[in-house]
Amino acid sequence: EEQLVESGGGLVQSGRSLRLSCAAAGFNFDTYVMHWVRQAPGKGLEWISGISWNSLVIGHADAVKGRFTISRDNAKNSLYLQMNSLRPEDTAMYYCVKDLGTQQGIGMDVWGQGTTVSVSS
Amino acid sequence: SYEVTQPLSVSVSPGQTANIACSGEELSDKYTSWYQHKPGQSPLLLIYHDTQRPSGIPERFSASTSGNTATLTISGTQAMDEADYYCQAWDTSTAGVFGGGTELTVL
Repeated sequence: EEQLVESGGGLVQSGRSLRLSCAAAGFNFDTYVMHWVRQAPGKGLEWISGISWNSLVIGHADAVKGRFTISRDNAKNSLYLQMNSLRPEDTAMYYCVKDLGTQQGIGMDVWGQGTTVSVSS
Repeated sequence: SYEVTQPLSVSVSPGQTANIACSGEELSDKYTSWYQHKPGQSPLLLIYHDTQRPSGIPERFSASTSGNTATLTISGTQAMDEADYYCQAWDTSTAGVFGGGTELTVL
């Protein structure tokens, strides 16, 4: 069974850093594009970062560009999100997501259960 | 940056057809995905590549794209289909922009 398990969320003060991790199992992790998607309380889904299988293609949403960095370690079947200079508006549930595509996004077919990040002012 | 818009809510009677629209500039030039999201659950991929259903998704979920609008169609809508629905347009190679979401009510 394809599975994604996020960790690393928590309560942090504004301006501090946090690193999210995602452990993948049940599929060939080194084949697919991976993403981070978040949902703030009472709001919709927001794509924030994506990375191709070989880490050569990386994208970040404007809202996090320059503050967040996505990376992956295919040898460890793991995806990461380094979040710096956190703001209260970054408070959200963060999902690790697998894509059907290998080099570009096609559709997000496997989602983790999410990890909660809360940023206090 | 690219944006797509959806209606905030759609209502449908059980057994009827629900249509949820998603609009964006030159949307037909981009691939569109659709997701169902129920409270307390992770989102579920319903459609990718504009019209393709992943295995396990019922045939009553279908989609189309024409011009600047993509449409998700739910035929024979059931009470269990009550959820938020999101369209997603693939802007650049790894950037998938979500619409604001549509709350579907079955009443």
